[in-house]
Amino acid sequence: AQSVSQHNHHVILSEAASLELGCNYSYGGTVNLFWYVQYPGQHLQLLLKYFSGDPLVKGIKGFEAEFIKSKFSFNLRKPSVQWSDTAEYFCAVNPDDKIIFGKGTRLHILP
Amino acid sequence: DTGVSQDPRHKITKRGQNVTFRCDPISEHNRLYWYRQTLGQGPEFLTYFQNEAQLEKSRLLSDRFSAERPKGSFSTLEIQRTEQGDSAMYLCASSFILGTAEAFFGQGTRLTVV
Repeated sequence: AQSVSQHNHHVILSEAASLELGCNYSYGGTVNLFWYVQYPGQHLQLLLKYFSGDPLVKGIKGFEAEFIKSKFSFNLRKPSVQWSDTAEYFCAVNPDDKIIFGKGTRLHILP
Repeated sequence: DTGVSQDPRHKITKRGQNVTFRCDPISEHNRLYWYRQTLGQGPEFLTYFQNEAQLEKSRLLSDRFSAERPKGSFSTLEIQRTEQGDSAMYLCASSFILGTAEAFFGQGTRLTVV
């Protein structure tokens, strides 16, 4: 079945630790890829997106993601997390006219 | 225009009642989406419009759910004969036609069916 898989449901890190959240998708063909973030009490916001070109994309707040086509992956990274990064992170794909989301990863940063 | 707005933000209803939610998208956007999100899950696609035309409806969407976008601007989502399983956050998003466009989300309407 076509899907978006996020490997980690809940991640706890200390401030300044490095972060990598995994995302794999199972759609064939050309897809656009997104990471959305939802801070506590706020609406979903776009963190970064990949449509074409350089597979390493940079987003807001120091986040980046790498698209590896051969692995159907789009992992999110940040070299040094901050307490304010505590949020839920969603990987998403749009293989056609709608966006399909993963189940999300809840990230908790310890001060 | 400050973004996608949804009304109401919260709705508590008794089982069996009908409810209607409204979404006002970003004014230039011609695509409008409805999603449902439950605790511990990502947003689940329900339906979307391009202008006033409803182009796709999820197979998961029961016949009790109906959505409209009569003039290609705001949209309404109605749930008839609500059930406890309908309790969720209902999200609306809008975009230009996807290709290189991102979707912008509203704050959502939290529905609780008691």
